[in-house]
Amino acid sequence: EAGVAQSPRYKIIEKRQSVAFWCNPISGHATLYWYQQILGQGPKLLIQFQNNGVVDDSQLPKDRFSAERLKGVDSTLKIQPAKLEDSAVYLCASSGRITSYEQYFGPGTRLTVT
Amino acid sequence: TQLLKQSPQFLSIQEGENLTVYCNSSSVFSSLQWYRQEPGEGPVLLVTVVTGGEVKKLKRLTFQFGDARKDSSLHITAAQPGDTGLYLCAGLIDSSYKLIFGSGTRLLVRP
Repeated sequence: EAGVAQSPRYKIIEKRQSVAFWCNPISGHATLYWYQQILGQGPKLLIQFQNNGVVDDSQLPKDRFSAERLKGVDSTLKIQPAKLEDSAVYLCASSGRITSYEQYFGPGTRLTVT
Repeated sequence: TQLLKQSPQFLSIQEGENLTVYCNSSSVFSSLQWYRQEPGEGPVLLVTVVTGGEVKKLKRLTFQFGDARKDSSLHITAAQPGDTGLYLCAGLIDSSYKLIFGSGTRLLVRP
């Protein structure tokens, strides 16, 4: 079974530029999560999708971050414009059911904003 | 705000030693998970504990959930270099099925 795929793996941009990350969850997984993991910290949930609907985006900085999952499969997270403090690893995870205890994580995208 | 505090933050030990990592909160969680994350990879689930007082073993790793479901510990016996990594605990909020992660314990096992 293929795992969660993310791209790109690394991205370096200047502040005020925009960037987009892509995630393809495990086939058949209805729930998709985006996390931000700042160096030295644990992952922080940004947004949770159930199919193509948003379940929780309470910690998403909506003035600069946006995410979509139009067909209920893959998802894109965008930052526009980026700030220095957005430097982090962005992790995507998926689970089979919204009630599932187990989330499967992708390898992440390491973003550096200079 | 539900916070999970992990201690210690860093641990460097010699191969063969034992260690314990702690995860504490003032909040009650319906369940608690432990993950290990290696550099350049996403976290991988090790175990889920659900019942207060529950103990689970995974080879040399022993996980315990506190009786009040506010804290947990991870004990590693005879650590090996392959155990090196970032250990994260995460509490599950039942109402939203959202995970709250601790800040992690970075373990280095020296050969």
